[in-house]
Amino acid sequence: QSALTQPASVSGSPGQSITISCTGTSSDVGGYNFVSWYQQNPGKAPKLLIYDVSNRPSGVSDRFSGSKSGNTASLTISGLQAEDESDYYCSSYTSTKSRVFGGGTKLTVL
Amino acid sequence: EVQLVESGGGLVQPGGSLRLSCTASGFSFSNYGMIWVRQAPGKGLEWLSYISIGGTTTYYADSVKGRFTISRDNAKNSLYLQVNSLRDEDTAVYYCARDRGVTYSDFWGQGTLVTVSS
Repeated sequence: QSALTQPASVSGSPGQSITISCTGTSSDVGGYNFVSWYQQNPGKAPKLLIYDVSNRPSGVSDRFSGSKSGNTASLTISGLQAEDESDYYCSSYTSTKSRVFGGGTKLTVL
Repeated sequence: EVQLVESGGGLVQPGGSLRLSCTASGFSFSNYGMIWVRQAPGKGLEWLSYISIGGTTTYYADSVKGRFTISRDNAKNSLYLQVNSLRDEDTAVYYCARDRGVTYSDFWGQGTLVTVSS
């Protein structure tokens, strides 16, 4: 199973909105509404941000939102804050009953 | 409070073996599927394996199939990963995580580092 494709880096200024894309195939992202997003700070464990494409767990800011179109899922962060600077990973359930992650995107808040 | 604590990592020679453990607390362990994920130094996350609540169903990534074995002991609130025939490229931090419906993981441990080197 090949990794999902994410941009290596994105950046934005405080208050702006940014979007991170996550492209897969019809065997993963496009075939199921089971895309999740994780935030990971250096040396820390991943934290769940979004599950099942667009659902937020309790306690996650509503500045984080998810969507999907075809084989591409997206994470949007609105009202960018300095604390959002982190690594972000998408993940999808796959047709082989496994999961696959994206390569990760480093978000820089300018 | 949900807690997952991994242990068992360390320095091992190529071809060697380790048994990683993950001890759960703060939730009913026997009611959740569990997974192992690893992260090589400076690299992204890699899903490795899943085990169902009773341990009867398991799935593996192709990269570790036949070398790694996932198991659990619900009486001990513990998850395990037996890693055999280790290679340099298996050097990574290994995380356990609580799974929700095989589709996402809502709580993660802090990881245990496995270093494969001669």
